[in-house]
Amino acid sequence: EAQVTQNPRYLITVTGKKLTVTCSQNMNHEYMSWYRQDPGLGLRQIYYSMNVEVTDKGDVPEGYKVSRKEKRNFPLILESPSPNQTSLYFCASRTNTGAYGYTFGSGTRLTVV
Amino acid sequence: KQEVTQIPAALSVPEGENLVLNCSFTDSAIYNLQWFRQDPGKGLTSLLLIQSSQREQTSGRLNASLDKSSGRSTLYIAASQPGDSATYLCAVSRSNDYKLSFGAGTTVTVRA
Repeated sequence: EAQVTQNPRYLITVTGKKLTVTCSQNMNHEYMSWYRQDPGLGLRQIYYSMNVEVTDKGDVPEGYKVSRKEKRNFPLILESPSPNQTSLYFCASRTNTGAYGYTFGSGTRLTVV
Repeated sequence: KQEVTQIPAALSVPEGENLVLNCSFTDSAIYNLQWFRQDPGKGLTSLLLIQSSQREQTSGRLNASLDKSSGRSTLYIAASQPGDSATYLCAVSRSNDYKLSFGAGTTVTVRA
Protein backbone atom coordinates (compact mmCIF):
# COMPACT_ATOMS: atom_id res chain seq x y z
CA GLU A 1 0.00 0.00 0.00
CA ALA A 2 1.29 3.43 -0.96
CA GLN A 3 1.73 5.43 2.20
CA VAL A 4 3.62 7.92 4.30
CA THR A 5 4.53 6.54 7.72
CA GLN A 6 5.29 8.74 10.70
CA ASN A 7 6.58 7.67 14.09
CA PRO A 8 5.76 8.07 16.85
CA ARG A 9 2.03 8.85 16.72
CA TYR A 10 2.09 10.45 20.16
CA LEU A 11 4.99 11.94 22.08
CA ILE A 12 5.23 13.80 25.38
CA THR A 13 8.61 15.28 26.18
CA VAL A 14 10.23 17.90 28.39
CA THR A 15 11.62 21.25 27.38
CA GLY A 16 15.12 21.01 25.95
CA LYS A 17 15.27 17.26 25.37
CA LYS A 18 16.23 16.58 21.77
CA LEU A 19 13.82 14.47 19.76
CA THR A 20 13.36 13.15 16.24
CA VAL A 21 10.12 12.40 14.43
CA THR A 22 10.62 9.98 11.59
CA CYS A 23 8.89 10.01 8.22
CA SER A 24 9.15 7.39 5.52
CA GLN A 25 7.38 7.01 2.16
CA ASN A 26 7.25 3.99 -0.17
CA MET A 27 6.16 5.75 -3.37
CA ASN A 28 9.59 6.82 -4.63
CA HIS A 29 8.52 10.45 -4.34
CA GLU A 30 11.17 13.10 -4.82
CA TYR A 31 9.45 15.79 -2.78
CA MET A 32 8.78 15.58 0.96
CA SER A 33 7.70 18.18 3.46
CA TRP A 34 6.74 18.77 7.08
CA TYR A 35 3.73 20.72 8.34
CA ARG A 36 2.43 21.67 11.72
CA GLN A 37 -1.25 22.17 12.48
CA ASP A 38 -2.45 24.45 15.26
CA PRO A 39 -5.98 25.58 16.16
CA GLY A 40 -6.81 28.86 14.49
CA LEU A 41 -3.60 28.84 12.44
CA GLY A 42 -4.29 25.90 10.16
CA LEU A 43 -1.52 23.95 8.43
CA ARG A 44 1.84 25.64 8.01
CA GLN A 45 4.88 24.32 6.24
CA ILE A 46 8.05 23.86 8.30
CA TYR A 47 10.62 22.48 5.86
CA TYR A 48 10.61 20.74 2.53
CA SER A 49 12.97 18.71 0.38
CA MET A 50 12.98 18.54 -3.42
CA ASN A 51 15.29 15.51 -3.44
CA VAL A 52 18.14 13.80 -1.60
CA GLU A 53 20.47 16.30 0.08
CA VAL A 54 18.24 19.22 -1.04
CA THR A 55 16.24 20.90 1.74
CA ASP A 56 14.78 24.36 2.23
CA LYS A 57 12.84 26.37 4.78
CA GLY A 58 9.10 26.66 4.71
CA ASP A 59 7.02 29.27 6.48
CA VAL A 60 7.83 28.38 10.11
CA PRO A 61 11.31 26.76 10.25
CA GLU A 62 12.55 28.25 13.54
CA GLY A 63 13.46 25.59 16.10
CA TYR A 64 13.47 22.70 13.62
CA LYS A 65 16.04 20.84 11.55
CA VAL A 66 15.66 18.27 8.80
CA SER A 67 17.87 16.00 6.75
CA ARG A 68 17.38 14.02 3.56
CA LYS A 69 20.07 11.39 3.24
CA GLU A 70 17.84 8.84 1.55
CA LYS A 71 14.97 9.37 -0.85
CA ARG A 72 12.41 7.56 1.29
CA ASN A 73 13.20 9.19 4.68
CA PHE A 74 12.79 12.76 5.90
CA PRO A 75 13.19 13.05 9.68
CA LEU A 76 12.20 16.17 11.63
CA ILE A 77 14.57 17.10 14.43
CA LEU A 78 13.81 19.32 17.40
CA GLU A 79 17.15 19.91 19.09
CA SER A 80 15.79 21.88 22.05
CA PRO A 81 11.99 21.61 22.10
CA SER A 82 9.94 24.34 23.74
CA PRO A 83 6.27 24.39 24.79
CA ASN A 84 5.34 26.52 21.76
CA GLN A 85 6.28 23.55 19.58
CA THR A 86 3.39 21.56 21.04
CA SER A 87 1.40 20.76 17.93
CA LEU A 88 0.13 18.14 15.50
CA TYR A 89 2.81 17.40 12.90
CA PHE A 90 2.33 15.97 9.43
CA CYS A 91 4.75 14.65 6.88
CA ALA A 92 3.73 14.68 3.22
CA SER A 93 5.20 13.59 -0.09
CA ARG A 94 4.52 13.96 -3.79
CA THR A 95 6.25 13.49 -7.14
CA ASN A 96 8.33 16.43 -8.33
CA THR A 97 5.73 17.29 -10.95
CA GLY A 98 2.96 17.38 -8.36
CA ALA A 99 0.63 15.85 -10.90
CA TYR A 100 -0.91 13.33 -8.51
CA GLY A 101 -1.27 15.57 -5.49
CA TYR A 102 0.06 15.08 -2.00
CA THR A 103 -0.02 12.06 0.29
CA PHE A 104 0.00 12.79 4.00
CA GLY A 105 1.05 10.72 6.98
CA SER A 106 -1.23 10.01 9.94
CA GLY A 107 0.30 12.71 12.10
CA THR A 108 2.38 12.98 15.27
CA ARG A 109 0.86 14.62 18.30
CA LEU A 110 3.72 16.28 20.19
CA THR A 111 3.38 17.77 23.65
CA VAL A 112 6.32 19.65 25.19
CA VAL A 113 6.00 20.32 28.92
CA LYS B 1 0.51 35.36 -1.43
CA GLN B 2 -2.22 32.79 -2.00
CA GLU B 3 -5.16 33.10 0.41
CA VAL B 4 -7.58 30.20 0.65
CA THR B 5 -10.95 30.67 2.32
CA GLN B 6 -13.51 28.04 3.19
CA ILE B 7 -17.11 28.86 3.92
CA PRO B 8 -18.90 27.93 6.07
CA ALA B 9 -16.55 27.17 8.95
CA ALA B 10 -19.03 24.66 10.36
CA LEU B 11 -22.09 22.89 9.08
CA SER B 12 -24.66 20.63 10.75
CA VAL B 13 -27.19 18.71 8.66
CA PRO B 14 -29.59 15.80 9.12
CA GLU B 15 -28.66 12.48 7.58
CA GLY B 16 -29.60 12.21 3.91
CA GLU B 17 -29.19 15.88 3.09
CA ASN B 18 -26.73 16.93 0.39
CA LEU B 19 -23.64 18.86 1.52
CA VAL B 20 -22.14 21.83 -0.28
CA LEU B 21 -18.71 23.04 0.84
CA ASN B 22 -17.10 26.10 -0.67
CA CYS B 23 -13.48 27.02 -1.22
CA SER B 24 -12.16 30.27 -2.73
CA PHE B 25 -8.60 31.30 -3.56
CA THR B 26 -7.11 34.64 -4.48
CA ASP B 27 -4.45 33.69 -7.06
CA SER B 28 -5.77 31.84 -10.10
CA ALA B 29 -2.28 30.66 -11.14
CA ILE B 30 -2.76 27.25 -9.60
CA TYR B 31 -1.47 23.84 -10.66
CA ASN B 32 -4.16 21.77 -9.02
CA LEU B 33 -6.59 21.74 -6.11
CA GLN B 34 -6.98 18.94 -3.61
CA TRP B 35 -9.79 18.22 -1.16
CA PHE B 36 -8.90 16.39 2.04
CA ARG B 37 -10.85 14.89 4.88
CA GLN B 38 -9.54 15.02 8.46
CA ASP B 39 -11.06 13.20 11.41
CA PRO B 40 -10.38 14.75 14.85
CA GLY B 41 -6.69 14.49 15.72
CA LYS B 42 -6.03 12.27 12.72
CA GLY B 43 -4.26 12.52 9.40
CA LEU B 44 -5.37 14.01 6.09
CA THR B 45 -7.04 11.68 3.63
CA SER B 46 -7.10 12.83 0.03
CA LEU B 47 -10.61 12.81 -1.41
CA LEU B 48 -10.33 14.41 -4.83
CA LEU B 49 -7.64 16.05 -6.93
CA ILE B 50 -8.62 18.48 -9.70
CA GLN B 51 -6.00 19.59 -12.21
CA SER B 52 -6.13 23.25 -13.24
CA SER B 53 -7.28 22.22 -16.73
CA GLN B 54 -10.24 20.25 -15.38
CA ARG B 55 -13.69 21.48 -14.42
CA GLU B 56 -14.71 18.69 -12.07
CA GLN B 57 -13.87 15.33 -10.55
CA THR B 58 -16.18 12.66 -9.16
CA SER B 59 -15.69 9.77 -6.78
CA GLY B 60 -18.74 7.91 -5.54
CA ARG B 61 -20.98 10.35 -3.65
CA LEU B 62 -18.37 13.10 -3.94
CA ASN B 63 -18.14 15.65 -6.70
CA ALA B 64 -15.78 18.60 -6.81
CA SER B 65 -15.93 21.46 -9.30
CA LEU B 66 -13.28 24.01 -10.15
CA ASP B 67 -13.67 27.46 -11.69
CA LYS B 68 -10.10 28.71 -11.89
CA SER B 69 -10.95 32.08 -13.42
CA SER B 70 -13.22 33.01 -10.53
CA GLY B 71 -11.02 31.33 -7.92
CA ARG B 72 -13.62 28.89 -6.63
CA SER B 73 -14.09 25.22 -5.95
CA THR B 74 -17.11 23.44 -4.52
CA LEU B 75 -17.26 20.00 -2.93
CA TYR B 76 -20.63 18.27 -3.11
CA ILE B 77 -21.39 15.25 -0.94
CA ALA B 78 -24.62 13.53 -1.89
CA ALA B 79 -26.95 11.83 0.59
CA SER B 80 -24.84 12.56 3.66
CA GLN B 81 -24.27 9.92 6.34
CA PRO B 82 -23.11 10.21 9.97
CA GLY B 83 -19.78 8.73 8.83
CA ASP B 84 -19.24 11.84 6.72
CA SER B 85 -18.80 13.89 9.91
CA ALA B 86 -15.28 15.33 9.73
CA THR B 87 -13.35 18.45 8.79
CA TYR B 88 -12.90 19.02 5.08
CA LEU B 89 -9.84 20.93 3.91
CA CYS B 90 -9.24 22.57 0.57
CA ALA B 91 -5.62 22.95 -0.58
CA VAL B 92 -4.34 24.76 -3.64
CA SER B 93 -1.02 23.95 -5.29
CA ARG B 94 0.90 26.88 -6.73
CA SER B 95 1.76 26.60 -10.40
CA ASN B 96 5.43 27.55 -10.24
CA ASP B 97 6.61 25.39 -7.34
CA TYR B 98 3.54 23.30 -6.37
CA LYS B 99 3.57 24.65 -2.81
CA LEU B 100 0.33 23.93 -0.98
CA SER B 101 -1.84 26.61 0.59
CA PHE B 102 -4.58 25.36 2.87
CA GLY B 103 -7.95 26.72 3.84
CA ALA B 104 -8.98 26.62 7.50
CA GLY B 105 -11.50 23.88 6.81
CA THR B 106 -15.22 23.24 7.14
CA THR B 107 -16.28 21.05 10.06
CA VAL B 108 -19.27 18.93 9.10
CA THR B 109 -21.64 17.18 11.50
CA VAL B 110 -24.23 14.82 10.05
CA ARG B 111 -26.99 14.07 12.58
CA ALA B 112 -28.56 10.61 12.57
